[in-house]
Amino acid sequence: DSGVTQTPKHLITATGQRVTLRCSPRSGDLSVYWYQQSLDQGLQFLIQYYNGEERAKGNILERFSAQQFPDLHSELNLSSLELGDSALYFCASSVEWRGYTFGSGTRLTVV
Amino acid sequence: AQKITQTQPGMFVQEKEAVTLDCTYDTSDPSYGLFWYKQPSSGEMIFLIYQGSYDQQNATEGRYSLNFQKARKSANLVISASQLGDSAMYFCAMRGSDQAGTALIFGKGTTLSVSS
Repeated sequence: DSGVTQTPKHLITATGQRVTLRCSPRSGDLSVYWYQQSLDQGLQFLIQYYNGEERAKGNILERFSAQQFPDLHSELNLSSLELGDSALYFCASSVEWRGYTFGSGTRLTVV
Repeated sequence: AQKITQTQPGMFVQEKEAVTLDCTYDTSDPSYGLFWYKQPSSGEMIFLIYQGSYDQQNATEGRYSLNFQKARKSANLVISASQLGDSAMYFCAMRGSDQAGTALIFGKGTTLSVSS
């Protein structure tokens, strides 16, 4: 157990639907990062939150949004899903100089 | 813009041999960090080793060492005495600049296959 918890582990949904992925960071870590891993795009950084505030944006689509709550857990919302959104979504957390710890990922399949 | 390049899509090695996985990077920041992660077929991302840009010595962690050549902007991972369990995808990553917050920017990865 890495200390970063992601739920659910697997998700199958239809095109056009909306899903929410959840991440609980390692205890004490203030930063949460979301990544998308697909076969053709590799590991793409989506968005970072630090202590409840958005810190940086990567290649995140407008159909995707995220937030970090006061207890530091984070949610990634994916809407109007397309077949191409099928991927492994990772959450990672960090605190300065302690390194980055990844959750086990949520495998999303859009059918 | 910061970039990580891994030019070897796949590498093959026999058990007990050493293998080097290549990684080059590009950044204009004087302070940066370089990381290697292992992703086995089960999918999890496992941290292997870290090298800071100001570190004087190459990082080592057990059978893993990082051959850091700052002038060449390379940070190759060396795995000594390969084991069957080392078969996995390996990613080189760099801590991003301010525009990317402190997110890791990843290369496309190298698949390592270890045979007996």
